[in-house]
Amino acid sequence: GDSVTQMEGPVTLSEEAFLTINCTYTATGYPSLFWYVQYPGEGLQLLLKATKADDKGSNKGFEATYRKETTSFHLEKGSVQVSDSAVYFCALPSGGYNKLIFGAGTRLAVHP
Amino acid sequence: GAGVSQSPRYKVAKRGQDVALRCDPISGHVSLFWYQQALGQGPEFLTYFQNEAQLDKSGLPSDRFFAERPEGSVSTLKIQRTQQEDSAVYLCASSPGTAYNQPQHFGDGTRLSIL
Repeated sequence: GDSVTQMEGPVTLSEEAFLTINCTYTATGYPSLFWYVQYPGEGLQLLLKATKADDKGSNKGFEATYRKETTSFHLEKGSVQVSDSAVYFCALPSGGYNKLIFGAGTRLAVHP
Repeated sequence: GAGVSQSPRYKVAKRGQDVALRCDPISGHVSLFWYQQALGQGPEFLTYFQNEAQLDKSGLPSDRFFAERPEGSVSTLKIQRTQQEDSAVYLCASSPGTAYNQPQHFGDGTRLSIL
């Protein structure tokens, strides 16, 4: 079945460091891919998405490129801020009703 | 603007009690999903509604779990005879239509603790 695998956390970085969070997937066909972010005590918010191969999603300085050949959708940011501290989830829709399959999440902690 | 609203935010119940969790989706959203998120894990799908019709309940872990959306707007997830393994955050999400690949809008969740 469809699945998503994320790198394990926590990831701890200093402010202004470069961020990469790896995500690979197994899916039937070529679904859209999503990154959601969960700030402490809050629900999930859509961070960015890509709908087809080679698409690049971007938002708030974060980027991710849909790589069909490596079945990956890695999240990157050139310079992280303390306010980026959160849990990041990679996800894809699966099945006939668009239910989301999530990775286990990667916790990011950014220190000043 | 109004997002997805869930209540209560926190619920503590004794093992064996019944609980009811409420979700108010974004007005006019056709699709509504329930997910269960265990501590340190990603959300896992429970059930899906298209308007008032429950079209997929394949993720409900047992027959103690029941969900409804009688008028196609507010939804309630009910858990009967709660057990400790039911402790989790329950997330509700909605989306405007039924098109494949539409992003889902999530509420803040209900954190359920079973003692």
